[in-house]
Amino acid sequence: SQTIHQWPATLVQPVGSPLSLECTVEGTSNPNLYWYRQAAGRGLQLLFYSVGIGQISSEVPQNLSASRPQDRQFILSSKKLLLSDSGFYLCAWDRSVSGNTIYFGEGSWLTVV
Amino acid sequence: GESVGLHLPTLSVQEGDNSIINCAYSNSASDYFIWYKQESGKGPQFIIDIRSNMDKRQGQRVTVLLNKTVKHLSLQIAATQPGDSAVYFCAESPGNTGKLIFGQGTTLQVKP
Repeated sequence: SQTIHQWPATLVQPVGSPLSLECTVEGTSNPNLYWYRQAAGRGLQLLFYSVGIGQISSEVPQNLSASRPQDRQFILSSKKLLLSDSGFYLCAWDRSVSGNTIYFGEGSWLTVV
Repeated sequence: GESVGLHLPTLSVQEGDNSIINCAYSNSASDYFIWYKQESGKGPQFIIDIRSNMDKRQGQRVTVLLNKTVKHLSLQIAATQPGDSAVYFCAESPGNTGKLIFGQGTTLQVKP
């Protein structure tokens, strides 16, 4: 069966510090991978998606970047965090065909102080 | 469409009653729809899905109804339980993009 892991689960970082959130998927190959952000009491905002190694699409302009160094690894990064980067970050995957269910990780809580 | 910047509406029901959560989707080309449940502090979990060639699908205590004419999707939960308290999101998949578009989300509160 397929599983998705992301870490760390919680993170408190000062403004201006770097960020690295990691996500890995097991039990499947060539998945589509996604990073979503969810501010408290808000819906889901798609940040990045990737259809393959080194292929990243950004949905919204922002202070964050994403990378996919391996087929089942997706990393969300920032060089200098802003207060507005605080939120709940969710990694997700689906199979590389249209009209498929997205499966989410457990999320990472980021608080920028 | 996506709900950035919008507060989530709330539905409050009595334990044991049936719940109906509604969602209006935006793209007439969408051919696949999903309902997710998100408990506090956790990632969204798949509940039930439906393809556009159907108008109703039933699961365990849940039913999804699809009305393509008015682009409306609903989730019915029978005999609502306290464990059903969560935020519920609908999502649509426009067949030409392969990406899911999430709805605004609805907070379901179950009163004992």
